[in-house]
Amino acid sequence: NAGVTQTPKFQVLKTGQSMTLQCAQDMNHEYMSWYRQDPGMGLRLIHYSVGAGITDQGEVPNGYNVSRSTTEDFPLRLLSAAPSQTSVYFCASRRGRANYGYTFGSGTRLTVV
Amino acid sequence: DAKTTQPNSMESNEEEPVHLPCNHSTISGTDYIHWYRQLPSQGPEYVIHGLTSNVNNRMASLAIAEDRKSSTLILHRATLRDAAVYYCILRDVYNYGQNFVFGPGTRLSVLP
Repeated sequence: NAGVTQTPKFQVLKTGQSMTLQCAQDMNHEYMSWYRQDPGMGLRLIHYSVGAGITDQGEVPNGYNVSRSTTEDFPLRLLSAAPSQTSVYFCASRRGRANYGYTFGSGTRLTVV
Repeated sequence: DAKTTQPNSMESNEEEPVHLPCNHSTISGTDYIHWYRQLPSQGPEYVIHGLTSNVNNRMASLAIAEDRKSSTLILHRATLRDAAVYYCILRDVYNYGQNFVFGPGTRLSVLP
């Protein structure tokens, strides 16, 4: 199994550009989420999805959109990149029940100049 | 959500046991205790979880206090590869949509 695959691994954007961070999982997990991690800090939840067609906002959703058309894919869209969105982004998935753990992707390091 | 408190950092010598504490005084009866770790430049990875009884797996042991207000992650023989940030997280087993809340965690340094 590939687990959770994130692409790209690195990206540099100019302020105002838009882009999509891709996330795919092959474990048939219902639950997927996006986190961002700024230097020296813990992870903060951006958006999450409890199943195909269902998404909701997390702690820091502004400037980001998500959709969940399939169980496998959960892309994160930056609408108009800002330097404050420079961060490392992690996608994660898990089965629905709370006593199952998360599987995380390896992250996308994004720099907005 | 019930919160957890961990020391900011800890240090250990290689091949010695490490005990990483976590306080969760407001834990509810249906909260599972999860531990994750994040190696440098990687995403977090699952370590272990438990509800009431102590738990062991190939990576670590989890000791849970009788009143469940604290727990300890035990690495039996620290290696250099165990240097990471360790996160203690509570999850309500009946809250299907509940997210994991990652605090700053404990940064473990392992000295050769």
